[in-house]
Amino acid sequence: EPEVTQTPSHQVTQMGQEVILRCVPISNHLYFYWYRQILGQKVEFLVSFYNNEISEKSEIFDDQFSVERPDGSNFTLKIRSTKLEDSAMYFCASTATLNTGELFFGEGSRLTVL
Amino acid sequence: AQSVTQPDIHITVSEGASLELRCNYSYGATPYLFWYVQSPGQGLQLLLKYFSGDTLVQGIKGFEAEFKRSQSSFNLRKPSVHWSDAAEYFCAVIPPLSGTYKYIFGTGTRLKVLA
Repeated sequence: EPEVTQTPSHQVTQMGQEVILRCVPISNHLYFYWYRQILGQKVEFLVSFYNNEISEKSEIFDDQFSVERPDGSNFTLKIRSTKLEDSAMYFCASTATLNTGELFFGEGSRLTVL
Repeated sequence: AQSVTQPDIHITVSEGASLELRCNYSYGATPYLFWYVQSPGQGLQLLLKYFSGDTLVQGIKGFEAEFKRSQSSFNLRKPSVHWSDAAEYFCAVIPPLSGTYKYIFGTGTRLKVLA
């Protein structure tokens, strides 16, 4: 069964370092998303991406964040200069169309900022 | 304010007992409604969804949910819980008139199952 894959599963970094989280969405999907879940809190929307551009972003998604689809398969989230409060589980999700409503989520990348 | 609420942070039930997890929303119109499950170390898996039509929705793993417009609720139920159901359950909505299918998640309910 096709699935969304994310790497790394866990990354530890020092404050101020750049981090890139990678996602391979399901191959025929066109809409891509990043969500995050700070430990013990709800899952929060970060950004949606379609047709090689951001379609919507939350107030969390400030200038330190960027997304890219560098080739036909990967979808990346970059945090330019990490802060302690960026420590969270980051989920990538994708969907083929906006008619089904179902997002397919990856298993997440846990980011720990020291 | 527009939101989705899961009143129960933790629920503990015995294996074989019935289960009901509550979800309420506050939007002017009916949003799209979802229940997701997150097992330890796993991603989010869709259990079921409601867009329109029959208000009792069947999902995977023996779960069902009932949409009640008058109560702005979409509660998840299972008649007999199995130990493998221990996980965190998230109610989510897509707000009305949303163009990008941005999910809004509840805070989650952590289910513990006693043997």
